[in-house]
Order: sequence, then structure tokens, then C-alpha cells
Amino acid sequence: DQQVKQNSPSLSVQEGRISILNCDYTNSMFDYFLWYKKYPAEGPTFLISISSIKDKNEDGRFTVFLNKSAKHLSLHIVPSQPGDSAVYFCAATQAGGAQKLVFGQGTRLTINP
Amino acid sequence: NAGVTQTPKFRVLKTGQSMTLLCAQDMNHEYMYWYRQDPGMGLRLIHYSVGEGTTAKGEVPDGYNVSRLKKQNFLLGLESAAPSQTSVYFCASSYPRGPGELFFGEGSRLTVL
Repeated sequence: DQQVKQNSPSLSVQEGRISILNCDYTNSMFDYFLWYKKYPAEGPTFLISISSIKDKNEDGRFTVFLNKSAKHLSLHIVPSQPGDSAVYFCAATQAGGAQKLVFGQGTRLTINP
Repeated sequence: NAGVTQTPKFRVLKTGQSMTLLCAQDMNHEYMYWYRQDPGMGLRLIHYSVGEGTTAKGEVPDGYNVSRLKKQNFLLGLESAAPSQTSVYFCASSYPRGPGELFFGEGSRLTVL
């Protein structure tokens, strides 16, 4: 049972445009959500997060939106740059205790020049 | 600082052989984790530890054992490797203070023939 789902395995976007990556979750106990970025042959690195008490969090070119009623979150990257080409994982957890993250399947983002 | 270091980076085993993956972190983190990444599945938690001398099962613990004898090290063992354990294994560590920001190693690619 996949509790966190990223239904788009890949996404291609032109440089300078907006990239939107989507994620859905089923477990209503999740109250903290994160996005990780992964380059080939490297480990995932933390990108941005959001608590369930918020509906938006912004960090430079990256913004995460949370819609609790729809159990949906999205990551917006604007403007997209070639260095943003990577696999993006959505993750969810319950705040407090061991920080056990549940990951989605990942979306491969390709930014075309 | 090296961060999170995994050894070995690559290993090929025959079915039934045993091996140990070593994870070392130099950030004085309390929490450590072992994840596996398989195509189309994202990262799944195998075992984790909230402190020296403690371990707990994650989502997919069967066929693996772990030990945390020292705070900086977290070992993942396969007693009798099976082809289903062919995967990329990631170790991660984190502070207990706030949810979710895990620091990952570069990964260990294991192939079981």
C-alpha cells in the first residue's frame, strides 16, 4: 500500500519556465512533508519542507503548497534551471519521535535548454 | 566533514552469502536509518536507530539485521542474501530536534546473483 504517491515518473520543462511536481498521500496522520532532490550516484538531499499547519512554504525559487483536504502537495520551481534536472522525491512523516520518512516513487525532472 | 559515509559502494554476492554494509557519520547525530531504493518504489525504510544500542524495524525489515554499537556507526547485515535484496542501499542520519531533515550517504549498490 503506497501511502505517498508521485504519479508522474518523469517531467520535461523548458529552461526558464515553471516546473510543477505533484504528490498525493493517503495517511491522514502525516503532519510534515518534505521534498528531496537526487542526482545520479548521489544520495538524496533535503530541498524544502512544510508543516501541516501551513499551506505554503517558500525558499528562493522553490515553493511547496499543501492542500490537506485533498491530501495533495506540490513543488513549484521557478524559473527552472538546467541544474534542477534530477529525481525529486516527496516524503511524509509524523512530527515527533523517530523521523521515519515515507517516500514517494520519485519524479525525474529534465530541464531543456 | 565527510558527513555520512557508506562502505562498500558496490558489491556482488551469490545467493546465500552474507555481508555487512557499514555506515559512519561524523555529525554526532542521534538517529540513523537504512533505506533501500528500488525502481518504481521510492525509498523504503529497513531499520532505524534512535540512539546507541537501540534499533527498531522499519517498513521492510525481513532478511536484514542491524547493530548500533557506537553512536557514529550503523551496520546493516544480510545473513543469507537473496536476489530480491538486489537494490541500492542508503544510510541516513538526523538530529532528533525537528522532523524530517535526513542527511544521506551516497548509497551502496548490491547485486545478488
